Amino acid sequence: ETGVTQSPTHLIKTRGQQVTLRCSSQSGHNTVSWYQQALGQGPQFIFQYYREEENGRGNFPPRFSGLQFPNYSSELNVNALELDDSALYLCASSFQGASETQYFGPGTRLLVL
Amino acid sequence: QKEVEQNSGPLSVPEGAIASLNCTYSDRGSQSFFWYRQYSGKSPELIMSIYSNGDKEDGRFTAQLNKASQYVSLLIRDSQPSDSATYLCAVKGSGAGSYQLTFGKGTKLSVIP
Repeated sequence: ETGVTQSPTHLIKTRGQQVTLRCSSQSGHNTVSWYQQALGQGPQFIFQYYREEENGRGNFPPRFSGLQFPNYSSELNVNALELDDSALYLCASSFQGASETQYFGPGTRLLVL
Repeated sequence: QKEVEQNSGPLSVPEGAIASLNCTYSDRGSQSFFWYRQYSGKSPELIMSIYSNGDKEDGRFTAQLNKASQYVSLLIRDSQPSDSATYLCAVKGSGAGSYQLTFGKGTKLSVIP
């Protein structure tokens, strides 16, 4: 167990809807990264939050947005859901500085119909 | 486009044998390298990290890094059926990409009893 938690574990939405996924980081960690993992693929970096600001972003459209709160927990919001957004969404927490090893939560499996 | 390449497998080895998993990466400036194990339907779990050229051993696992050849490998000695999983190679970028992990697609390992 990494101490990183995510909610919900599973979610079913329809195309065009909006979704919010949540992540609580491991104790002592101040950085949260979000990844999307499609079936049979490796995780793809969405963005990272550090000190409540977006610290970097991957090749994802603006309808993917996020927040980080003062307690270092984070949200991922996806607007105007598309069928291709169906995937496992992973949150990883780390401590900025040193090796910055990222530890993953259990993930949220999103199905868009 | 920074890339991480892995043989997708499946790689089948008999119980007790050595499993060898390989990974190449394109970003010559990368400094941090990670191996994650992912069981079906679960999230990635960190196995090893390596930062310097050479070998790093942890129990039955040995990670090998050759920055000149841009090559990382993971050896699993005395393979057990419980090692059957997908193994993800992840590389931490350099410069503007130093906040994100870039993953390969993973190698599926099957250990045959």
